[in-house]
Amino acid sequence: GAVVSQHPSWVICKSGTSVKIECRSLDFQATTMFWYRQFPKQSLMLMATSNEGSKATYEQGVEKDKFLINHASLTLSTLTVTSAHPEDSSFYICSASKGLATDEQFFGPGTRLTVL
Amino acid sequence: GQNIDQPTEMTATEGAIVQINCTYQTSGFNGLFWYQQHAGEAPTFLSYNVLDGLEEKGRFSSFLSRSKGYSYLLLKELQMKDSASYLCVPLDSNYQLIWGAGTKLIIKP
Repeated sequence: GAVVSQHPSWVICKSGTSVKIECRSLDFQATTMFWYRQFPKQSLMLMATSNEGSKATYEQGVEKDKFLINHASLTLSTLTVTSAHPEDSSFYICSASKGLATDEQFFGPGTRLTVL
Repeated sequence: GQNIDQPTEMTATEGAIVQINCTYQTSGFNGLFWYQQHAGEAPTFLSYNVLDGLEEKGRFSSFLSRSKGYSYLLLKELQMKDSASYLCVPLDSNYQLIWGAGTKLIIKP
């Protein structure tokens, strides 16, 4: 149990286009979902935390108008990178939690975004 | 500030035992996670400690000393597939996970 999927696994796009990444909890209801970004050989960086039906809470320095997060249901959250640029190329990972902050986070397999 | 200190890289031999140490300074503390991350993949959960002491789970054990701000992950009977990064991730007073770069563990035959 506790499987999280992400789609797509990898995407290549042209500069200026928008890319949507889906994160789904397949066998549990995720009270909270998290979006991370990781550059090569660096630590995970939390971008935002989202609870179903409410606005996402963005970390300092993350542009909410550029990284649109929608958490429409207890099993689905989406991250849209708007007007992507080469510097947005990164490994984007979502995770989901069943409830408490002390619960483990179940991570999706990640999405590798390359912006040309 | 919040800080995590782990060795950048360690090397061990297949079949051996390795201990990965972690010291941390956080604003408050609500437990500590260890995650494993293979190159190019997302992290996977290994353990969670909130009380002092040793938690054993198969080949992996995790230890916590809250007063010392110290934890370690012990891996026994190392296998080649254990080559990965190991992330010590404390949970601060706001229940935020504090991520560092982790320790890259290289297993040699």
